[in-house]
Amino acid sequence: EAQVTQNPRYLITVTGKKLTVTCSQNMNHEYMSWYRQDPGLGLRQIYYSMNVEVTDKGDVPEGYKVSRKEKRNFPLILESPSPNQTSLYFCASSFTANSYEQYFGPGTRLTVT
Amino acid sequence: KNQVEQSPQSLIILEGKNCTLQCNYTVSPFSNLRWYKQDTGRGPVSLTIMTFSENTKSNGRYTATLDADTKQSSLHITASQLSDSASYICVVSARVRGLIGGSQGNLIFGKGTKLSVKP
Repeated sequence: EAQVTQNPRYLITVTGKKLTVTCSQNMNHEYMSWYRQDPGLGLRQIYYSMNVEVTDKGDVPEGYKVSRKEKRNFPLILESPSPNQTSLYFCASSFTANSYEQYFGPGTRLTVT
Repeated sequence: KNQVEQSPQSLIILEGKNCTLQCNYTVSPFSNLRWYKQDTGRGPVSLTIMTFSENTKSNGRYTATLDADTKQSSLHITASQLSDSASYICVVSARVRGLIGGSQGNLIFGKGTKLSVKP
């Protein structure tokens, strides 16, 4: 089944404790992207990747890192999480950045205390 | 600054009625415009995507229009159903300068219109 998977789905952590949210797709997509969604602000793009080893900042990259060492995986790293990073995170992928169909993962709800 | 504004913020309609959602954008250089449907707590699902040269596109009961001159788009839903209750998000892709072919990657999202369809 074609899908985008994210792990973990829910995470409660403390300020400053490094964490990684994994994202994996099985559709051989070139384009992958991370978003955060907050009430009243909608979805905002954090980072995106056009292909392996090619990543770029979205609108809200501060406090996040990503890597794209292989095509299927695009982990989101929070080196030192802070409470303002409490949010709902979505990973998405598509064949290219211009593809009609962009597949979203199920979301990761992160709480930083 | 690249921005996408949607109106109304929320809308309540009766089942079977039509409705139109609006999207204005200031994204430049423009690459494409998408409409997504997002159910509460789930990831968005693509409804339509339009490039600069397209001014209308349909997907079942959903019809999107694009006026690239005025930088406006609308999403029209006909014969609404209870399952249409969701947030509808307008997303504009900005063309990334300097890349071969003018590749695009940066997506700017509107805050969405929350539609409630009542029986």
